[in-house]
Amino acid sequence: GNSVTQMEGPVTLSEEAFLTINCTYTATGYPSLFWYVQYPGEGLQLLLKATKADDKGSNKGFEATYRKETTSFHLEKGSVQVSDSAVYFCALTRNNAGNMLTFGGGTRLMVKP
Amino acid sequence: NAGVTQTPKFQVLKTGQSMTLQCAQDMNHNSMYWYRQDPGMGLRLIYYSASEGTTDKGEVPNGYNVSRLNKREFSLRLESAAPSQTSVYFCATTFVTHYEQYFGPGTRLTVT
Repeated sequence: GNSVTQMEGPVTLSEEAFLTINCTYTATGYPSLFWYVQYPGEGLQLLLKATKADDKGSNKGFEATYRKETTSFHLEKGSVQVSDSAVYFCALTRNNAGNMLTFGGGTRLMVKP
Repeated sequence: NAGVTQTPKFQVLKTGQSMTLQCAQDMNHNSMYWYRQDPGMGLRLIYYSASEGTTDKGEVPNGYNVSRLNKREFSLRLESAAPSQTSVYFCATTFVTHYEQYFGPGTRLTVT
């Protein structure tokens, strides 16, 4: 079946540091890949997505590239801010009925001023 | 345009009590989902409804029932709550042909 593995957190960085959160997946066929962000006390929001190999998703300074050869979708940001403190979830879905998402366990990011 | 709304926001139940979590969306989406979120486990799908009139089990359906009341509303029922059902519950929606899911703010449930 499908599965998503993320690096365990928490990840603690200073403001303006470079961020990488690793995500690897197992899936048959050609999944679409997502990063969701959850701010404290809120639901999940889509951060970015990529629907085919070599696509790069980007939003709010975050980027992730769909790497089929390494089955990875690592999240990066060049300079984090305190406001980026949140929990980040990598997820995938396959092009089938229901569009069910499979989530990784989440990585908590804490950015200190 | 409220998006996806959930009620209640918080609930405390005693073991064996029942309750229904409500979800409503005004986005005209076809598909709706119920997830539970537990520490370190991400979100796990409980049930989903691909379209009005259909429901299907997800990864962890035991102890739950759902009703797709109409296109807008999808409820989750716990018939006899257990401490293992203490969790945060999220409703989500999407168009059938789109992959992005939109999430509600969640319901924090504690079963004692």
